[in-house]
Amino acid sequence: DAKTTQPTSMDCAEGRAANLPCNHSTISGNEYVYWYRQIHSQGPQYIIHGLKNNETNEMASLIITEDRKSSTLILPHATLRDTAVYYCILWTSGNKLVFGAGTILRVKS
Amino acid sequence: KAGVTQTPRYLIKTRGQQVTLSCSPISGHRSVSWYQQTPGQGLQFLFEYFSETQRNKGNFPGRFSGRQFSNSRSEMNVSTLELGDSALYLCASSLALGGADTEAFFGQGTRLTVV
Repeated sequence: DAKTTQPTSMDCAEGRAANLPCNHSTISGNEYVYWYRQIHSQGPQYIIHGLKNNETNEMASLIITEDRKSSTLILPHATLRDTAVYYCILWTSGNKLVFGAGTILRVKS
Repeated sequence: KAGVTQTPRYLIKTRGQQVTLSCSPISGHRSVSWYQQTPGQGLQFLFEYFSETQRNKGNFPGRFSGRQFSNSRSEMNVSTLELGDSALYLCASSLALGGADTEAFFGQGTRLTVV
């Protein structure tokens, strides 16, 4: 079962930052926070992951709170092509990758 | 480098038949996982293989099985197909067993329709 809680849907204006929250209050010390997204009928796409430090790559930034009970994925300048379902997942070595319902992000012009 | 390749992309089968789906992971990746995605149940984990051994298994009936070859390519088989098996079947590959600060990359999936 998924151990994260995400809003069902969010809207964002094109060109603005999209901030997607995720709660994971029961996270274990060895669990990483992963973000994937899935554009309609395609395979999920890896975005970013982190353990406790904030992370940034060419796609997004990941902010993890100090107590690690929540995190935020930031898409700095959302485009229409960022419209997708975004999944926040806790993953630890040897365990399976479990997807929840995710957040439907709609980027509007 | 080439991504995860799943074949075939689309498949139509009749109830009661069996089907075999194939997944070629990214070169050098040793872990392959399979997922079933339906509108009602979302993405559900089927099983994971690493070095030709099944390491994790989801809650699916025994009609769903898989295997991994020495070159890390994997196949999954569904026997005695039911209408409810209609779904998008996704394969993901990663360098190591999941979650060890590694990334899993997904293929485009095989769309199976059972009629």
